[in-house]
This record gives sequence, structure tokens and C-alpha cells, in this order.
Amino acid sequence: GNSVTQMEGPVTLSEEAFLTINCTYTATGYPSLFWYVQYPGEGLQLLLKATKADDKGSNKGFEATYRKETTSFHLEKGSVQVSDSAVYFCALSDRGSGGYNKLIFGAGTRLAVHP
Amino acid sequence: EADIYQTPRYLVIGTGKKITLECSQTMGHDKMYWYQQDPGMELHLIHYSYGVNSTEKGDLSSESTVSRIRTEHFPLTLESARPSHTSQYLCASSAGTGTGVYEQYFGPGTRLTVT
Repeated sequence: GNSVTQMEGPVTLSEEAFLTINCTYTATGYPSLFWYVQYPGEGLQLLLKATKADDKGSNKGFEATYRKETTSFHLEKGSVQVSDSAVYFCALSDRGSGGYNKLIFGAGTRLAVHP
Repeated sequence: EADIYQTPRYLVIGTGKKITLECSQTMGHDKMYWYQQDPGMELHLIHYSYGVNSTEKGDLSSESTVSRIRTEHFPLTLESARPSHTSQYLCASSAGTGTGVYEQYFGPGTRLTVT
């Protein structure tokens, strides 16, 4: 079945460091890919998405490129801030039985940014 | 900004009690979902709904039940709470009909503790 694998955390960085969180997927067909972020005590928020190969999603300085040849969707940010500390989830869309669309999430990667 | 609400945000309750977790959205979305998030952060889909009078079980078996008698409302009920039900419960919704891919919008979550 379809699945998402994320790098294990926690990832600990100093402010202004470069961030990469790896995400690879297994899927049949052509899923859409998403990054969600969860700040402490809150629900998930959509950070960015890409719907087809070579698309680049971007938001708030974060970027991820849909790489079909490597089945990857790595999240990057050039200079992280303390306020970026959160849990990041990679997800792909999956078409269930009856045409239902659901998301398959990775296990999440906790990011801690220190001043 | 997505408008999806969950109440209560925190609930501590004794074993054997009946509880209902409320979820409402004001976006007119047809599809709604309930996820259980374990302490390790992983998300598990436990229920979803295509629309009014539609409910389906998700990937993770759950003793909870759901109902959808109004588009905007998707409550989750536990008839007899047990300590194993202690978890964070996240509600989400998405737009779209048919088989298009639409991102999900999440509520802030309910953190349930059963003593």
C-alpha cells in the first residue's frame, strides 16, 4: 500500500541554520504531496503542497519539490527561526475505495530551534 | 483561515463515563474526518464522512462512534471511556466532491485523559 517515510527526530538546530527534513513515499499512480506543521498545543496546519512531478511548493520560507524519480518531497528552509519549532508531517493523498480521498501521514519530525 | 472548531480542548474523565467530542466547521465542507494522535505524534484515521448521513470507519479500529446529521457538525462519542482511550483527537474537513484532491483543514484538537 501507499506509505510515507520521514526522517526521525528530533532535529535540533541553532537559529539561522539551514533545515532539511527528508520525506520519501511509496505510491501507485500520481498522488499529491503535502507538508503540514503542528505547533505545540494546536492542530495541524497546511504548510505547502505539490500536485504533480517537478512542482515546487513554498510558503513562509519553506520549500519542497515533488521528485518522482526519487519519490521524495524533502522540506527545506534556508534560515530557521525559534518560532519554527514544531512538528512537521509529510503526507500524500490516497484514493480509497469508492473514490474517497484520504491523506497518509508520515510519523512526524520534531524540530527544535535554539537562539 | 480555516474555521473548524473542537470542544472541549481538554477533558479529564473517569473510566466508564460517556463522552462526546464536538467538531464543527463553517466552511460548508462535505468531507470530515477524525484522527487519533498518539503520544509518539503519529496520526491514525479513525472515522470519516463523505457528507450528511454518511459515516465510515477509518484505518485504525476504534470503539468510538460518529454521526453526521448536519453538514457542519461531526461529533465523536465514546459510550464508556477507558484509560486506553487517552489520546489527542483531531477533527478535519475538506472541500470538494468527486475524486479531486483537496487539502484537509484541522481543528485545534481535544486532549482526552481517562483516569
